[in-house]
Amino acid sequence: QKEVEQDPGPLSVPEGAIVSLNCTYSNSAFQYFMWYRQYSRKGPELLMYTYSSGNKEDGRFTAQVDKSSKYISLFIRDSQPSDSATYLCALTGANSKLTFGKGITLSVRP
Amino acid sequence: DGGITQSPKYLFRKEGQNVTLSCEQNLNHDAMYWYRQDPGQGLRLIYYSQIVNDFQKGDIAEGYSVSREKKESFPLTVTSAQKNPTAFYLCASSIGGAKNIQYFGAGTRLSVL
Repeated sequence: QKEVEQDPGPLSVPEGAIVSLNCTYSNSAFQYFMWYRQYSRKGPELLMYTYSSGNKEDGRFTAQVDKSSKYISLFIRDSQPSDSATYLCALTGANSKLTFGKGITLSVRP
Repeated sequence: DGGITQSPKYLFRKEGQNVTLSCEQNLNHDAMYWYRQDPGQGLRLIYYSQIVNDFQKGDIAEGYSVSREKKESFPLTVTSAQKNPTAFYLCASSIGGAKNIQYFGAGTRLSVL
């Protein structure tokens, strides 16, 4: 079993839809949970990071962590064509090594 | 403007040739990283350095070499021993610590002629 599994996609939604992106992980030592957004042919940029179980909101984006289920999610409300990108989850463990999911490509149709 | 600068944006390698990818940061970060990104494979760690004059192999170091002579610079050499070098290469830096939040450059796309 891989340390971090991310839904492979791709995912296509109409503008205005609520998007749910998910990752599961197997190692309970992961402590910090991040989401990166990567536009085509660009480097990843940090969207959000969380530490504890629960929700963290930033504008249209909500990061959710459920440590008991080893499950993390990123929700995008009122999705826009400008949200079209690849989204990667990333987790940091006790050794501070950052482990990435493989990423999911999201397309928001106007 | 603080950030990470990778150059060149595109690079072509001939058979048997070594090529060097540049990565410079002005964020005053101690740690720097090199990743390789292939379609459908996510980011794979090549090398990382947590301090000047020290670096460690990542998951796929074979065919690559690095140096860390200055805090702000971490160049990656793709040697002729790397038989499948075509990929998107990303450099990142981090202040370190438990969170290890990494900030990325814009990447270099390497292709084989």
